Amino acid sequence: QKEVEQNSGPLSVPEGAIASLNCTYSDRGSQSFFWYRQYSGKSPELIMFIYSNGDKEDGRFTAQLNKASQYVSLLIRDSQPSDSATYLCAVWPRYGQNFVFGPGTRLSVLP
Amino acid sequence: DTGVSQNPRHKITKRGQNVTFRCDPISEHNRLYWYRQTLGQGPEFLTYFQNEAQLEKSRLLSDRFSAERPKGSFSTLEIQRTEQGDSAMYLCASSPQGGTEAFFGQGTRLTVV
Repeated sequence: QKEVEQNSGPLSVPEGAIASLNCTYSDRGSQSFFWYRQYSGKSPELIMFIYSNGDKEDGRFTAQLNKASQYVSLLIRDSQPSDSATYLCAVWPRYGQNFVFGPGTRLSVLP
Repeated sequence: DTGVSQNPRHKITKRGQNVTFRCDPISEHNRLYWYRQTLGQGPEFLTYFQNEAQLEKSRLLSDRFSAERPKGSFSTLEIQRTEQGDSAMYLCASSPQGGTEAFFGQGTRLTVV
């Protein structure tokens, strides 16, 4: 079992819709969770982090964490073509000293 | 620019040659990470420094790879006797003490021909 898994893409949504990106992790003791956006050929850019169960909102982005289900998600409201990118979920394991990344989900927002 | 800086941005080398990459982290960040990313995959951990101490090294990292962070400032990653399988984007990230949010540099894209 991979440590961090993400729903396979690509995910296509129409402009203005809500995009939902999902991530599950295997280390139940993980404490910190991150979403990175990566445009093609570029490096990952941190867009959200969440430490506590529940929702965290930042502009059009909402991160949701459910530690009991070992599940973290990212919602993008009013999706724009500029949101088209690969979204990487990263987890800081309980006894680790580095981030563990999922394989990423490619999102396409269609005009 | 106060972000993480990596040099060079691109490197093409012949198989069997040695290459060295440099990373300058955000100045107040004492944690520094090296990752490798191949097409269609998420970043894969290579090694981690806290100040000048290399605290963790991936088991995937062969002995052809070595990293240093003298004086706890910039870091270098050297690959000896490069192989075609080393072709990837090498990413450096840094984070502050007590904080786990990491910020990435632009990456160095290595092509081994």
